[in-house]
Amino acid sequence: GAGVSQSPSNKVTEKGKDVELRCDPISGHTALYWYRQRLGQGLEFLIYFQGNSAPDKSGLPSDRFSAERTGESVSTLTIQRTQQEDSAVYLCASSLAFWRTGRPGTGKTQYFGPGTRLLVL
Amino acid sequence: AQKVTQAQTEISVVEKEDVTLDCVYETRDTTYYLFWYKQPPSGELVFLIRRNSFDEQNEISGRYSWNFQKSTSSFNFTITASQVVDSAVYFCALSQETSGSRLTFGEGTQLTVNP
Repeated sequence: GAGVSQSPSNKVTEKGKDVELRCDPISGHTALYWYRQRLGQGLEFLIYFQGNSAPDKSGLPSDRFSAERTGESVSTLTIQRTQQEDSAVYLCASSLAFWRTGRPGTGKTQYFGPGTRLLVL
Repeated sequence: AQKVTQAQTEISVVEKEDVTLDCVYETRDTTYYLFWYKQPPSGELVFLIRRNSFDEQNEISGRYSWNFQKSTSSFNFTITASQVVDSAVYFCALSQETSGSRLTFGEGTQLTVNP
């Protein structure tokens, strides 16, 4: 089946503009995650959705960052008043709900999309 | 708190050599999950393996094997008879039962396999 998809694949914007990044999870995956990867670095957790609610937003770096999810499917990550330090690859991942898995831990496996490369000039 | 350390920033080997990528983790939970992901030059993260803390056996998949040692909090990854296509950045990650489902990643190891 189809994997996680993200759009746009690349985004160049000017400092101070708002941007929206979109994620389509794997069909049937109720958990959705956003991460950020700065050049040459590991991934930083941003936010996690279970269904349409976000029980863990602790990784959002500032109030300029927000995310929403509707219909237990598509999610949008919005960055307002972009800054140059926001330049990074933004990765989305999804996983099965734990109650739908047979083997313990299966629902913990996250499958990643190709990412959106954001460049703020 | 949870933490993952990949001390090897870069490794370079010649094709057909065996190579081991190290991963050391910190967690206070008794139930946790460890992962390895591969990030080729294309940039997409590819899931390789999940290890539950309560599993007994180590895993082998073709040329890949993983050695989980609770006593040293390590989850090392060995590629046998490396190939040029194995060149990528490899990430080790940890998920704790008590901190929801977030993954904490190490900084990654850049593996280059030369022909």
